[in-house]
Parts: sequence; structure tokens; C-alpha cells
Amino acid sequence: QSDLTQPPSASGSPGQSVTISCTGTSSDIGYYNYVSWYQQHPGKAPKLMIYEVTKRPSGVPDRFSGSRSDNTASLTVSGLQAEDEADYYCSSYAGSNNVVFGGGTKLTVL
Amino acid sequence: EVQLLESGGGLVQPGGSLRLSCAASGFSFSTYAMSWVRQAPGKGLEWVSLISSSGGATFYADSVRGRFTISRDNSKLFLRVNSLRVEDTAVYFCARVVWSGSYRFDYWGQGTLITVSS
Repeated sequence: QSDLTQPPSASGSPGQSVTISCTGTSSDIGYYNYVSWYQQHPGKAPKLMIYEVTKRPSGVPDRFSGSRSDNTASLTVSGLQAEDEADYYCSSYAGSNNVVFGGGTKLTVL
Repeated sequence: EVQLLESGGGLVQPGGSLRLSCAASGFSFSTYAMSWVRQAPGKGLEWVSLISSSGGATFYADSVRGRFTISRDNSKLFLRVNSLRVEDTAVYFCARVVWSGSYRFDYWGQGTLITVSS
């Protein structure tokens, strides 16, 4: 069982938008601005997509956006493309030099 | 180009030990904190350990504290894993950490697999 709760799956058709939620507590997501999202294709290394709740690293398309409301963070992928099909993991700093991850969401592009 | 290349994984019996390495290149290694993150087969990511840029501070997940030891030299990150358990079976990734004023794993290696089985 993971510390952060994500839906196991999400899906959308090409061009559509999909939002993946990540629920934590007032001690992690709700307290720190250090929420990140990672994309992982099968057999590959994770890739940082969003950090500090809403920021995108250089090179990440602006179709990817992050937000937060209370203890729940969200990743929205707009204008879905086939290459967006992957597993997505949220993470949050949880204090005392501890980081927690979500269980992952498998995004399917229909 | 930032590159992280792990090695040292393998098949080991319960109670055994291994030393993982992660060779870093393409950035100023000594100025970044580094971490190990693992992923059991078909499962999610689990943070394992972090070491500060100087090596003077180390931190561990409760699940590995007392059994795993993280260290670093001028260009490599290490993880000594002792008293291995079946549940330690996973791909172990090394990751560069942006730790000052933020907390994110901005680059990851491809991982090395530890399989603990009798």
C-alpha cells in the first residue's frame, strides 16, 4: 500500500484531456509545495514531468500541467497523444527527509 | 548530457549482500544530493535513501534503515545492501536530487535489478 493514493487507471482519446488525482494528507501534499509527477514508459526510467506542484522542467510539453487543492494534487494532460500512454507517479516531500510516492496510474490513450 | 548508469545488481539468497554503483557524468556530481529509489516488479516507486552533496548527511526509509548504507565518491554513488529479504527484490534506480529550496528527482538512471530468492 502506497502513502499517496492514485487511481490505478485513466484513459482518454487522442486530443482529449485527462486528469489524474493524487491524494495525500495535511502532512505531505497539503503542507509542502514539493509535489512532483513522473512519467514512466514500460521498462524505462521515470521522467520528471511536474515539480513544485505546477512547474514544468525544460523540454516537457505545456500539455502537461499540475495543480493542487487541499490534500489532493492533480496532473492534467491536454491534447492527448499516443506517446503519452505510460504510468504516472506522484510524489511529495513528507518532512524529516522522507519522500512518499503514489501507487501509480496507468494512462491509456484509446 | 546528464547520464546515470547503475550496476551491481543480481540474484542473491536471503540474508545476502550486494553493492550497487551508479556512475554519474555530464554534470557537477559533487554539487548535487543523490538518491536511490526502487520499484518492485509490477509495483510502484519507493524512495530508499538520500545522501547530501558532501556525503555528510544520509537518510533512509524505515524499511531499509540499518541494513542499507548509501555513500559516494567523486563521481559515483553507492548502495551497500545487507541482510537482504525477498521483499527487497526490485529494480534500483539512482536519481539526481534537487534538494535545496525544492525536492525533486530530476534525472534517473535505467536501474539495476536485485532478485532475492533461495
